[in-house]
Amino acid sequence: QSVLTQPPSASGTPGQRVTISCSGSSSDIGSNTANWYQQLPGTAPKLLIYSNNQRPSGVPDRFSGSKSGTSASLAISGLQSEDEADYYCAAWDDSLNGWVFGGGTKLTVL
Amino acid sequence: EVQLVESGGGLVHPGGSLRLSCAASGFTLSTYWMNWVRQAPGKGLEWVANIKQDGSEKYYVDSVKGRFTISRDNAKNSLYLHLNSLRVEDTAVYYCARGGYSESSLPRYWGRGTLVTVSS
Repeated sequence: QSVLTQPPSASGTPGQRVTISCSGSSSDIGSNTANWYQQLPGTAPKLLIYSNNQRPSGVPDRFSGSKSGTSASLAISGLQSEDEADYYCAAWDDSLNGWVFGGGTKLTVL
Repeated sequence: EVQLVESGGGLVHPGGSLRLSCAASGFTLSTYWMNWVRQAPGKGLEWVANIKQDGSEKYYVDSVKGRFTISRDNAKNSLYLHLNSLRVEDTAVYYCARGGYSESSLPRYWGRGTLVTVSS
């Protein structure tokens, strides 16, 4: 069972906006930044959002992140077929002294 | 270009041992904290361990404490994970990931992973 809680699945049609939630606690998201990874089928995770809302170079601005209290969200606007992937939230946990991840959300583009 | 290439995975019996390696290039290994993260088949990501730049501090997830040991050889640009007393539930793809300057620095760059299968 993952420390951070994500919905197992999400879906949308091309062009739509979808959001994925991530719920944590005071020792992880509540006191540290939230981050997001994208994992395309058969590949390694790729950093998508860091420090709550920052995009690494090369990540389209269709992807955005936010954090409030002990929860975080990833939003994808202008959904495209190539966005079909698993998405994971992650945060440093002060009590475990390690990284914790959400269980992942499988995004399907209908 | 940052590159991380894992090796050493394979099939091992329960109770067995394995050593995973991660060859780093495109950056100075001694500058960064390094991590191992694993992913069981069809499951999510699980952080396993990390190690300070000079190897003086190491942290582990509870489920591997006392069984796994993370180490590094900066002169050889290599990170290692020694897996002992392996269990079926340790079956996973193991990823090497580069952190930053502190233990809580985000794993930003990842290798492609190496598969460890524990089965009788």
